[in-house]
Amino acid sequence: AQSVTQLGSHVSVSEGALVLLRCNYSSSVPPYLFWYVQYPNQGLQLLLKYTTGATLVKGINGFEAEFKKSETSFHLTKPSAHMSDAAEYFCAVTFPISSGSARQLTFGSGTQLTVLP
Amino acid sequence: DAGVIQSTRHEVTEMGQEVTLRCKPISGHDYLFWYRQTMMRGLELLIYFNNNVPIDDSGMPEDRFSAKMPNASFSTLKIQPSEPRDSAVYFCASSLRGSYGYTFGSGTRLTVV
Repeated sequence: AQSVTQLGSHVSVSEGALVLLRCNYSSSVPPYLFWYVQYPNQGLQLLLKYTTGATLVKGINGFEAEFKKSETSFHLTKPSAHMSDAAEYFCAVTFPISSGSARQLTFGSGTQLTVLP
Repeated sequence: DAGVIQSTRHEVTEMGQEVTLRCKPISGHDYLFWYRQTMMRGLELLIYFNNNVPIDDSGMPEDRFSAKMPNASFSTLKIQPSEPRDSAVYFCASSLRGSYGYTFGSGTRLTVV
């Protein structure tokens, strides 16, 4: 079975400061990992994903994440926070099947990011 | 591309009534997912379809919930009868085989009073 743990349901940073949102996964096979962002009253938007290849993945809005197998982690970072980054962020995991078909994502419980002026 | 369309943003119904939520996936996507989001339980997968066929409905909470996908461009999630504890935001998402990334709709906030 696969699962995702997001450490910290609420994170506050000052504008211009580093953003670090933590995600650890549990999977019996090599995972595919995702970060989604949800702005108030909106659906989830894909920020970035790791499937295979380079372990440092760059996404939209200046975010990036690094897959670290040894630490079973996929933390999300951004060097300098903007007020517009305030939102809820979800880490998710799935794993590939041989046919290459999509599988359902298992989501973490989310981290609410607050950016302070 | 219009994205995944959930045309109803808010739905209010009375306890015991039937409520139907609707979703139009992205054209060409062959997977469709229904999720429910609540403060207590977060995002829960209810059911997903592949090529209009239900693949896994193990997340459907009770027999009161049913979902259909009569064609590639339309899906419904029905609750009959509705209960206050069904109040949540219901999201539809679609995916193209092998893309490993969902596109979510904007959700329907259901309130059962």
